[in-house]
Amino acid sequence: AQSVTQLDSQVPVFEEAPVELRCNYSSSVSVYLFWYVQYPNQGLQLLLKYLSGSTLVKGINGFEAEFNKSQTSFHLRKPSVHISDTAEYFCAVSVITGNQFYFGTGTSLTVIP
Amino acid sequence: DAGVIQSPRHEVTEMGQEVTLRCKPISGHDYLFWYRQTMMRGLELLIYFNNNVPIDDSGMPEDRFSAKMPNASFSTLKIQPSEPRDSAVYFCASSSPGDWYNEQFFGPGTRLTVL
Repeated sequence: AQSVTQLDSQVPVFEEAPVELRCNYSSSVSVYLFWYVQYPNQGLQLLLKYLSGSTLVKGINGFEAEFNKSQTSFHLRKPSVHISDTAEYFCAVSVITGNQFYFGTGTSLTVIP
Repeated sequence: DAGVIQSPRHEVTEMGQEVTLRCKPISGHDYLFWYRQTMMRGLELLIYFNNNVPIDDSGMPEDRFSAKMPNASFSTLKIQPSEPRDSAVYFCASSSPGDWYNEQFFGPGTRLTVL
């Protein structure tokens, strides 16, 4: 079975500081990995995804994530956050040979002025 | 394209009543997903369709829930009878032709409150 663990439910960070949101997954087979963002009162939108190739993936709004197969992690990073980055962030995994999407429980990022 | 459209945006109903949530996917998308989001359980995939056919409904909580997709541009999620524990935000999402793991485009959600 597959699962996604987001280790931090809430992350407060000061504006212009760097941030890392952690995501670990468990799977016995190869997976695709995703980060979605949910702004208040909106649906989710894709930030970035890893399917194959380079383990460093760049997404929208200056975010990037690195796939680490040995540590089964896919942490999201941004070198300098803005107030507008305040949102809920979801890590998700899908099995390459399967047909299911598994979302983590989300990390609430709050950027403090 | 207007994106994924969901209606209503808010629904308040009383326990025992039938509730129907509606979704119009992005034109040309052939995958459609229904999710439920609660504080306790996070985001759960309820069911998804491919080319209007239900592929996996293992996430549907119980027989009170049913979903249909009569054509490529419309889907419904029905709860009958509704219960207070069904209160949640229900999202519909669609993705483009090809592999289902392509980016999913989410609608704004329907906030359901069952009293």
